Amino acid sequence: DAGVTQSPTHLIKTRGQQVTLRCSPISGHKSVSWYQQVLGQGPQFIFQYYEKEERGRGNFPDRFSARQFPNYSSELNVNALLLGDSALYLCASSLGRLAADDTQYFGPGTRLTVL
Amino acid sequence: GIQVEQSPPDLILQEGANSTLRCNFSDSVNNLQWFHQNPWGQLINLFYIPSGTKQNGRLSATTVATERYSLLYISSSQTTDSGVYFCAVERDDSNYQLIWGAGTKLIIKP
Repeated sequence: DAGVTQSPTHLIKTRGQQVTLRCSPISGHKSVSWYQQVLGQGPQFIFQYYEKEERGRGNFPDRFSARQFPNYSSELNVNALLLGDSALYLCASSLGRLAADDTQYFGPGTRLTVL
Repeated sequence: GIQVEQSPPDLILQEGANSTLRCNFSDSVNNLQWFHQNPWGQLINLFYIPSGTKQNGRLSATTVATERYSLLYISSSQTTDSGVYFCAVERDDSNYQLIWGAGTKLIIKP
């Protein structure tokens, strides 16, 4: 079975631009979470979506937005890019059960560089 | 908010050695997970262990929830164990938000 896929793999943008990152979850998974991982640090939670509804939001500015589609894939949008947005963006999918042991499976990430 | 501290930050070992990684957290949690991130960035879930002990091959983990810490044991290390090990926790009222430690970078030398 295919794992979580993300596109693109790498992306270079300039300050002020907008970017859209894409994620396809594992078949049968209904929940998608997005994380930002700055070099040398642990991931930071951005959003979680379940059945196309936002179920959780981390401490990120409104420049960050996301949505989930009927096929459970998801997009993360970042507007007005700043140099500090340069990071590895990780997508994780899970079954979406309302249980703490709902294991998340991570994609390979999209490495965003803002110049 | 809840704080997650991991130690040591870096660890260099010879192949075959054993290691213990520690995760301290500042408040009660309903979810604690250990992850491994390989040198190419891929994150893999190792254990879901909010309390008790679990083992999976050469890896085992123990969480003492009352004392707010968790330990990850790696025995007979292999070069493929290299990477960064993260501990992540979630509180009941955290709105499904996993809070991650800064990780322990492990290098296994052949």
